[in-house]
Parts: sequence; C-alpha cells; structure tokens
Amino acid sequence: AQSVAQPEDQVNVAEGNPLTVKCTYSVSGNPYLFWYVQYPNRGLQFLLKYITGDNLVKGSYGFEAEFNKSQTSFHLKKPSALVSDSALYFCAVTGGGNKLTFGTGTQLKVEL
Amino acid sequence: DTAVSQTPKYLVTQMGNDKSIKCEQNLGHDTMYWYKQDSKKFLKIMFSYNNKELIINETVPNRFSPKSPDKAHLNLHINSLELGDSAVYFCASSPSGTTTDTQYFGPGTRLTVL
Repeated sequence: AQSVAQPEDQVNVAEGNPLTVKCTYSVSGNPYLFWYVQYPNRGLQFLLKYITGDNLVKGSYGFEAEFNKSQTSFHLKKPSALVSDSALYFCAVTGGGNKLTFGTGTQLKVEL
Repeated sequence: DTAVSQTPKYLVTQMGNDKSIKCEQNLGHDTMYWYKQDSKKFLKIMFSYNNKELIINETVPNRFSPKSPDKAHLNLHINSLELGDSAVYFCASSPSGTTTDTQYFGPGTRLTVL
C-alpha cells in the first residue's frame, strides 16, 4: 500500500523568507510524486510532479520540490514566500495504477 | 474556459433524500475521478472511469453510484443521504489514466446533509 506523510499541520513563514513544506512517502516500486495547492473554497491546483530524472523539479508560481530517494522525501520549497502563497498544500503519490493517495495537508501561512 | 466543471457548487438537503452531482471536462481526457474531502480536509478517491468503464471502486457504500454517459461526463448519484455524507466532492480528470498522469480537479461541490 502506498502512503504519504505531511508531518506539519501548519507552517508559518514571513514574507520574503524561504519556505519548506515537508513530505515523505512510502510506496513499493517507483514513486510518482505530486504537489497540489488548495485555496479557500477552491479546487486543487496542480503545482508540480516528479516522475523520473532530475531530483529538483520546478513548478508553477516559483515553487520547486526536491526528490530524495534515500530519505523517501519530496519537500516543497520556494526561495521567497509571498502572502498570496498562503493556502493548503497537499503532497500525493501514485505507485501503481492511477490512484492518487494524498497526505493530510499542510496549511501554509505567510505573514507580512 | 473551465476545464473541469461541477454542478451544483453547493447542495443542502435532508437525510434520506437522493441527490446527484454532475461533472464535465472539456480537456479531451479519457479518465475521470471522484474524490471526497471530509471536514478535516482529508482527500480520498472514490471512483475512477476510463472511457466510460469503471476502473477504481474504493470501499464506498452502495448508496453511491457513479455514471459516465460519455468520456467527458462523470456523474455521482447518492441515495438515502446520511449525515456522514456531508463533505466536499471533487471531480478530476487526466489524459489517459496512467500512473504518471497529472489529474486536474474541478472546483468541488459542498454537500451538506441536515
């Protein structure tokens, strides 16, 4: 069975500072990893995914994520946070079939 | 130019009623999904269809029945609604339903059962 853990319910960061939202995964076989963002009362928006190749994946809105196979992690990062980045972030994995298994979400709050 | 659309956006109903949620995608994708997001924001897949054929059917009560009249539409019908069915239901689609596909989500339908 595949699973994803997001150890932090909430991450607070000051605008302009770098941000990291953590994600670790468990899957048999090759992991295919995704990050989505959910703004209040909105659907999920795709940010980026790792399939194969370069461990650093660049995505939408200046976000990037680093795949680390030895640590089974896929942390989401941004060099300089904006107040508008405040939202709920989900990490997800598919390991077999097309079933996306989501983490519990991390609420990001960026303050002035 | 809404890619994945759902109707209605909000649905408030009484226990025991039957209701439907509709989903349409104009992306030309072959695969569509239904997800449930509970009050703690936890997201779980319910069903997926590929070209009108049921592919994934998670442990969901029989009261939930998906129907795909064509590959651009996936509707969700719920019989005998219960309080625990209150949630946000998201439709999604992906190009071909492979493991590496990106899934694109609709705006969600907030169902409240009184």
